[in-house]
Amino acid sequence: ETGVTQSPTHLIKTRGQQVTLRCSSQSGHNTVSWYQQALGQGPQFIFQYYREEENGRGNFPPRFSGLQFPNYSSELNVNALELDDSALYLCASSPGTKDTDTQYFGPGTRLTVL
Amino acid sequence: AQSVAQPEDQVNVAEGNPLTVKCTYSVSGNPYLFWYVQYPNRGLQFLLKYITGDNLVKGSYGFEAEFNKSQTSFHLKKPSALVSDSALYFCAVREMGQGGKLIFGQGTELSVKP
Repeated sequence: ETGVTQSPTHLIKTRGQQVTLRCSSQSGHNTVSWYQQALGQGPQFIFQYYREEENGRGNFPPRFSGLQFPNYSSELNVNALELDDSALYLCASSPGTKDTDTQYFGPGTRLTVL
Repeated sequence: AQSVAQPEDQVNVAEGNPLTVKCTYSVSGNPYLFWYVQYPNRGLQFLLKYITGDNLVKGSYGFEAEFNKSQTSFHLKKPSALVSDSALYFCAVREMGQGGKLIFGQGTELSVKP
């Protein structure tokens, strides 16, 4: 196990609602990245947080937002949920933002939007 | 644009036989390459990475990968497959200067039969 934890494990929401997913990074890691993994697909990069600031973003609309806290834990918020937001959301922590840094993933949160 | 291709959706191998999971990549600069494994309903587990140096990289659980710059490939290998190796395998690339973003392939389902 990596030491990266995510909550909740599963979540069911209806279209138009808002959701908050949480991630605790591995000890000693100050960087958290979020990914969306749709069924049968590889993970897609949403954004990364480093020292409480967004440090890079993928092709996701502004209704996907995040936070990082002083203890380096992080939240992913999604507003105005759409059916296509149904996916496994993965959080990964790393010791920094270097190109060579390995990202270690948590178990994920399965979000279902009805 | 960066991209990763895993040309085989599924690879079937008999236990004890060698296995290869293929990956090719496209980046404009120097690539940093990663392999991850995903078991059902679990997050991604890091197996190994290529940063620089020796083209043969050794990783966890007896896996290794060979970096071939001329063929832009980074195939995952194991000399003797185990039934417990059955899982979904993802290749990922990060380009220099893109410290956060990993680009993943679509994944290859490995099935090892006794």
